[in-house]
Amino acid sequence: DAKTTQPTSMDCAEGRAANLPCNHSTISGNEYVYWYRQIHSQGPQYIIHGLKNNETNEMASLIITEDRKSSTLILPHATLRDTAVYYCIVRGPSGTYKYIFGTGTRLKVLA
Amino acid sequence: NAGVTQTPKFQVLKTGQSMTLQCAQDMNHNSMYWYRQDPGMGLRLIYYSASEGTTDKGEVPNGYNVSRLNKREFSLRLESAAPSQTSVYFCASRTDRADTQYFGPGTRLTVL
Repeated sequence: DAKTTQPTSMDCAEGRAANLPCNHSTISGNEYVYWYRQIHSQGPQYIIHGLKNNETNEMASLIITEDRKSSTLILPHATLRDTAVYYCIVRGPSGTYKYIFGTGTRLKVLA
Repeated sequence: NAGVTQTPKFQVLKTGQSMTLQCAQDMNHNSMYWYRQDPGMGLRLIYYSASEGTTDKGEVPNGYNVSRLNKREFSLRLESAAPSQTSVYFCASRTDRADTQYFGPGTRLTVL
């Protein structure tokens, strides 16, 4: 399974875009990149996922580099409610459905 | 839709006691998962079940057993609890169509 590397913590001003990077240099061709977040001690919440094209939904945008070795999650207008731990995950081999969470990035949105 | 439900919400055990954590989902998902999260750490996969009747080990399966009772329910059993199993346990189910996991609220377990 490809491993991911994320910064331990980041701050972002309220109303500004939050850009959360993730390195996954050993990703293989059929592995997807997923992003989840965990607010306080709740269960994690799905945000977005993609294979190689950029993706956007109502919560965020996902930008994956052309070589697929890194990606960036973008929260376009961060609010205080976006303060959470954000996890970048690369899914395990096709058919096993294993998801390996790392330690994530603790994003703090500042008023 | 209740989504993913877990019982109990909190539990305190003594070393050596056994207990079963219950998880149920009403979304007709095939895949279900058990994770543990230690203080200040990310989630670690204990066991998962890709479909009814199948289970597989995750990263940290030692000291646990699981049962996929039916499509809805996936239980986690601690046969002889140890203080190292003090953690928050999350259950999740996954929709094949959207490839998304949905998590329960967690069970906070303390082993003394």
